[in-house]
Amino acid sequence: EDQVTQSPEALRLQEGESSSLNCSYTVSGLRGLFWYRQDPGKGPEFLFTLYSAGEEKEKERLKATLTKKESFLHITAPKPEDSATYLCAVQGIQGAQKLVFGQGTRLTINP
Amino acid sequence: DARVTQTPRHKVTEMGQEVTMRCQPILGHNTVFWYRQTMMQGLELLAYFRNRAPLDDSGMPKDRFSAEMPDATLATLKIQPSEPRDSAVYFCASGGDSEQFFGPGTRLTVL
Repeated sequence: EDQVTQSPEALRLQEGESSSLNCSYTVSGLRGLFWYRQDPGKGPEFLFTLYSAGEEKEKERLKATLTKKESFLHITAPKPEDSATYLCAVQGIQGAQKLVFGQGTRLTINP
Repeated sequence: DARVTQTPRHKVTEMGQEVTMRCQPILGHNTVFWYRQTMMQGLELLAYFRNRAPLDDSGMPKDRFSAEMPDATLATLKIQPSEPRDSAVYFCASGGDSEQFFGPGTRLTVL
């Protein structure tokens, strides 16, 4: 069974203080790993898809990386508007297009 | 700006009543997903359709939940009878072969 574990559950940073969120996964065969951002009262917003180990993608202050066992979401010099819950999900080759989500990391950036 | 739309956004009902949630996927997307989000369980896949045909509904309590896609512009999720444990946020998402794009959700409260 595909599984995703995210850590930490919650992270509080000062504005400008860089850090990383972790997503560990087990999947029979990885089709893709996805990062989403979710603001309170809203649906998850797509950020990145990573397909193979060694791949990296960037968007503004966010950079996602992938290894064979985990993915990191690096946040560089964050701003208060980066505060949100960040969700990681995997899509396995046996599950067709099914996504299995982790519990998320709740990120708070203090001004 | 193409978006997934969901109605209603909020629903409060009493135990035993029927609840119907509706979703309009992004035009051109061939896959539609229904998820449920709670604090305890996180995001769980209930069912999904490809080209309007049900592919997997193993995440759904079949005795009370049903999902249909009567046409390419409408997906429905019905609960009959509803129970307090069904209280959650229900998300619809649509996509192609990879990324999924989420709607704003229906917050359901069953008293």
